[in-house]
Amino acid sequence: EVQLVESGGGLVQPGASLKLSCVASGFTFSDYWMSWVRQTPGKTMEWIGDIKYDGSYTNYAPSLKNRFTISRDNAKSTLYLQMSNVRSEDTATYYCTRRRGGWFAYWGQGTLVTVSS
Amino acid sequence: DVVLTQSPATLSVTPGERISLSCRASESVDTYLHWYQQKPNESPRLLIKYASQSISGIPSRFSGSGSGTDFTLSINGVELEDLSIYYCQQGNSLPYTFGAGTKLELK
Repeated sequence: EVQLVESGGGLVQPGASLKLSCVASGFTFSDYWMSWVRQTPGKTMEWIGDIKYDGSYTNYAPSLKNRFTISRDNAKSTLYLQMSNVRSEDTATYYCTRRRGGWFAYWGQGTLVTVSS
Repeated sequence: DVVLTQSPATLSVTPGERISLSCRASESVDTYLHWYQQKPNESPRLLIKYASQSISGIPSRFSGSGSGTDFTLSINGVELEDLSIYYCQQGNSLPYTFGAGTKLELK
């Protein structure tokens, strides 16, 4: 059974940094592109970016490229999202997803990030 | 970026009826259009890929159609468990984008 378990969310102050993790199981992690998608409290969905199966290539939403970094550790079957200089508009639930082609077959349960002073 | 416009924003339904949800793209996405269902307090799940291809484990009452800029998700015989938000998403070009969603509620 495919499982994606995110962690690392919480309350963070504006301007701070935060690193989210996603541990994968039930499939060969190193065979798949992985993505991060977020959902705002108003339910708007936004693709953040993705990373190639070997970690050699990444894509990002242009609006987030300068502040967010996606990485992975295939030995640990773990996906990461490094967020820097966070803003109130980054408040959202962050989902780890397994990408296939241009669609998202599996989603984690999400981790909530709240940016507030 | 490709903008996806979903309509209606909210649809009031009666169990058993057949309904259609619309997703319109600001430019052609060929058939690289996918549908997701999100039940309250759950993560999204894939319903339909490539506009009309079914997904294992998804009830057969869900179907999709369309290509280019106009797409439809149909539910043939709505059930109470289908009360959710439905999103379309395009995978034709980066950045991938989602529609704002259609919420199904009970009439």
